[in-house]
Amino acid sequence: NAGVTQTPKFQVLKTGQSMTLQCAQDMNHEYMSWYRQDPGMGLRLIHYSVGAGITDQGEVPNGYNVSRSTTEDFPLRLLSAAPSQTSVYFCASSPRAGTGQETQYFGPGTRLLVL
Amino acid sequence: AQTVTQSQPEMSVQEAETVTLSCTYDTSENNYYLFWYKQPPSRQMILVIRQEAYKQQNATENRFSVNFQKAAKSFSLKISDSQLGDTAMYFCAFMKLMEYGNKLVFGAGTILRVKS
Repeated sequence: NAGVTQTPKFQVLKTGQSMTLQCAQDMNHEYMSWYRQDPGMGLRLIHYSVGAGITDQGEVPNGYNVSRSTTEDFPLRLLSAAPSQTSVYFCASSPRAGTGQETQYFGPGTRLLVL
Repeated sequence: AQTVTQSQPEMSVQEAETVTLSCTYDTSENNYYLFWYKQPPSRQMILVIRQEAYKQQNATENRFSVNFQKAAKSFSLKISDSQLGDTAMYFCAFMKLMEYGNKLVFGAGTILRVKS
């Protein structure tokens, strides 16, 4: 059971480039989310998904796009990278609502540097 | 909107001693969960402890325990017998429960340094 996995671990981009951060989980969790972590701040929610085909915006969604075609995968796309998107990105997953087991489990993170 | 405040940016403690990290939150919700996560230098987010708001009993996990005061909206973490491996950033987080999922709101974190 690998839990939540993220690739790549580290990426350098030039301003204007696009890329996709990958996230996968093997716990059959319905809920998945993306956060960013900036210095001096806690994690902030970018986008989340409550199941395949269903996504919604979080606190800081601008410049990011998501889709969820399977339960296991939840990729995050940067459409046109900007230096302000330099951050550490975390993916998390959680069992469905109403189970009493609502806890978010995090991947190892992806460090992104935009020059 | 929910907010989470951790008023101690940094703390230090001697090995084997006890330390308490503070957290307050603001919400109008009645049913929610609260968490403490640990982030060591590896950056991995590790779940330390979880508290359901409807439970009056404070959660404990080995050397980690919480003091949950629902009326005061306070959720502090006590680490007993501190170990060098406890050195990390600690985040307090509020979980808003929704019909089909949940949302976490994090505090800014407290850096804890355990000294030998």
